[in-house]
Amino acid sequence: AQSVAQPEDQVNVAEGNPLTVKCTYSVSGNPYLFWYVQYPNRGLQFLLKYITGDNLVKGSYGFEAEFNKSQTSFHLKKPSALVSDSALYFCARQGDAGNMLTFGGGTRLMVKP
Amino acid sequence: NAGVTQTPKFQVLKTGQSMTLQCAQDMNHEYMSWYRQDPGMGLRLIHYSVGAGITDQGEVPNGYNVSRSTTEDFPLRLLSAAPSQTSVYFCASSLTLTPGGGELFFGEGSRLTVL
Repeated sequence: AQSVAQPEDQVNVAEGNPLTVKCTYSVSGNPYLFWYVQYPNRGLQFLLKYITGDNLVKGSYGFEAEFNKSQTSFHLKKPSALVSDSALYFCARQGDAGNMLTFGGGTRLMVKP
Repeated sequence: NAGVTQTPKFQVLKTGQSMTLQCAQDMNHEYMSWYRQDPGMGLRLIHYSVGAGITDQGEVPNGYNVSRSTTEDFPLRLLSAAPSQTSVYFCASSLTLTPGGGELFFGEGSRLTVL
């Protein structure tokens, strides 16, 4: 079965420091990978996606993600964290069949001043 | 632009009661879905629809029914509520299910507590 895993329940980072939120995926067909963000008491918002091509994908709010096929990873990154980046982040994938997205368990990002 | 609208935002039920969570989208999206969000488990797909009159089961369909009589609306029915259905429910829609194009638009969620 296609799946994604987020190995960290929470990531803590100081404001201004670079941040990384990790995601790995199971090897099954072509992975179409997504990152979403959820602010408190809100629905999820799309950040970025990888379909094919350049392994570094740029998205909203200064976030980017690096697709690494050999490590089956799609880590979310930002060069300089903001307190306002504190939220719950979800990695998701879609399979070749065009089915609905499968989500990871989520990682809570805490950015401290 | 309203996007995806869910009602109610909060609901408390007693075990055995039934209720319907409403979802409407105004983006003319063909694809609509219901997810539930539980701590540490991410979002799990309950049911989805690829168009009016067509629905299918997701990962955790038991205890829920859906119907899709119009493109805009996709209600989720709890037939006989159980404490295990305490969760936050999200409705999401998508313009396409083309691989790699499945960006979802989410409602703001409905928090359900079953006592």
